[in-house]
Amino acid sequence: NAGVTQTPKFQVLKTGQSMTLQCAQDMNHEYMSWYRQDPGMGLRLIHYSVGAGITDQGEVPNGYNVSRSTTEDFPLRLLSAAPSQTSVYFCASARDSSRTEQYFGPGTRLTVT
Amino acid sequence: GENVEQHPSTLSVQEGDSAVIKCTYSDSASNYFPWYKQELGKGPQLIIDIRSNVGEKKDQRIAVTLNKTAKHFSLHITETQPEDSAVYFCAASLGSGTYKYIFGTGTRLKVLA
Repeated sequence: NAGVTQTPKFQVLKTGQSMTLQCAQDMNHEYMSWYRQDPGMGLRLIHYSVGAGITDQGEVPNGYNVSRSTTEDFPLRLLSAAPSQTSVYFCASARDSSRTEQYFGPGTRLTVT
Repeated sequence: GENVEQHPSTLSVQEGDSAVIKCTYSDSASNYFPWYKQELGKGPQLIIDIRSNVGEKKDQRIAVTLNKTAKHFSLHITETQPEDSAVYFCAASLGSGTYKYIFGTGTRLKVLA
């Protein structure tokens, strides 16, 4: 049982490039979410999903796309990277969307130059 | 928009002393308040949570108190140990029927041996 895994751990992009941050969980959790963490700002919700085929926007969704084709995977896509997207990205999952524990992945540190 | 204020931003205590971190939330419909511990280079991990129908919850050396009237909740760590050194985040659910959370900006706790 690996929990929540994220790849890559580190990534450097040039402005305008695209990439996908991968997130997978093996706990059969319904609820998955993406956060970004910036110094002095805590964690901010980007997008979330309450089940396969269902996604919705969080607090800071602009510049990011998501999809949920399977229960296990929840990739985050940056279509045209900008320096403002330099951050640490965390994926999280929870058993369901009621008030239960969220399990976080180890994070991806992204730098956009 | 809704927010969660967290204080202090840094806290240094001697080993064996107590540490208290305080949060204030703005959304009167918030009903779930988790606390996370984040160690260097890792994702946040839930350490304790409290729901709005409870005023206090304890788990060994950790306790959380909630004052719904004042919209305050606090984390108390007693008999601190060096391994308690980390960044701690509070969070509050947004509304009573959503799957979104607002996080505080974090408190860096240092336990001095």
